[in-house]
Amino acid sequence: DTGVSQDPRHKITKRGQNVTFRCDPISEHNRLYWYRQTLGQGPEFLTYFQNEAQLEKSRLLSDRFSAERPKGSFSTLEIQRTEQGDSAMYLCASSFGAGNEKLFFGSGTQLSVL
Amino acid sequence: SQQGEEDPQALSIQEGENATMNCSYKTSINNLQWYRQNSGRGLVHLILIRSNEREKHSGRLRVTLDTSKKSSSLLITASRAADTASYFCATAPSGGYQKVTFGTGTKLQVIP
Repeated sequence: DTGVSQDPRHKITKRGQNVTFRCDPISEHNRLYWYRQTLGQGPEFLTYFQNEAQLEKSRLLSDRFSAERPKGSFSTLEIQRTEQGDSAMYLCASSFGAGNEKLFFGSGTQLSVL
Repeated sequence: SQQGEEDPQALSIQEGENATMNCSYKTSINNLQWYRQNSGRGLVHLILIRSNEREKHSGRLRVTLDTSKKSSSLLITASRAADTASYFCATAPSGGYQKVTFGTGTKLQVIP
C-alpha cells in the first residue's frame, strides 16, 4: 500500500493555458474523489468515480473542467483555459467499498495561475 | 458547496488542555467523519461515527453525534503541540451512492 499519489505537487501556469493533474489511488480502492481547496476553506467537492463511472460532477464546475478514470485505475483532472480563480490546491482521495467510508487523501497539487 | 459548519473557526489552547470542536450539518447522514490537515498537506482520517452511534473513542479523541440536532463534537484530550492543525468534519449522506462533503474547518493551535 503506497498510498494515494498525486502529480505534480506544484504547477504554475499562465492564464489561458491548459493543465492536467494525475491521481493514482490505492490499488484496490474503487472510489475516487477530486476536491478543490482554497486557503482557509474546507475541501470543496468537484467530482467522484465509482470504478470508471463518473457518478457526479459539481454544478459549480464550469465546462472547462473535465475528469476521467479510464479502466477504473488512475484519474486525470484537466482544466482548460485556466483563470486566476482556478488557483487552489487540488486534492484527490480514494476509498474502498460501497461508498461513504473513510477517504485516503493524496498530498494534493497546488495550482497557481498567473 | 459545504455541508457542514465547524465552530469555532479558530481555537488556541495551552499544551495539556482539552480542545473541543463542533460540527453542524444539514441533511440526514449515513456517517460523519473527522479529518486533520497539517498546513499544505492532504487530509488524514481520524475517526468515523455511524448514524446509529452516539459516541466513539480513539486514543485521545472522543466524538459524539446527535442526529436529532444534526451536530457532532470532537474532543481532543491532553493536547500536544503536534495536534496543531486544521480539523474538518465530513458527512456521508444516507441513501445510496452519495458524495462525502466537508465542513469549513476549525484551526487549532496548541501552544507549548
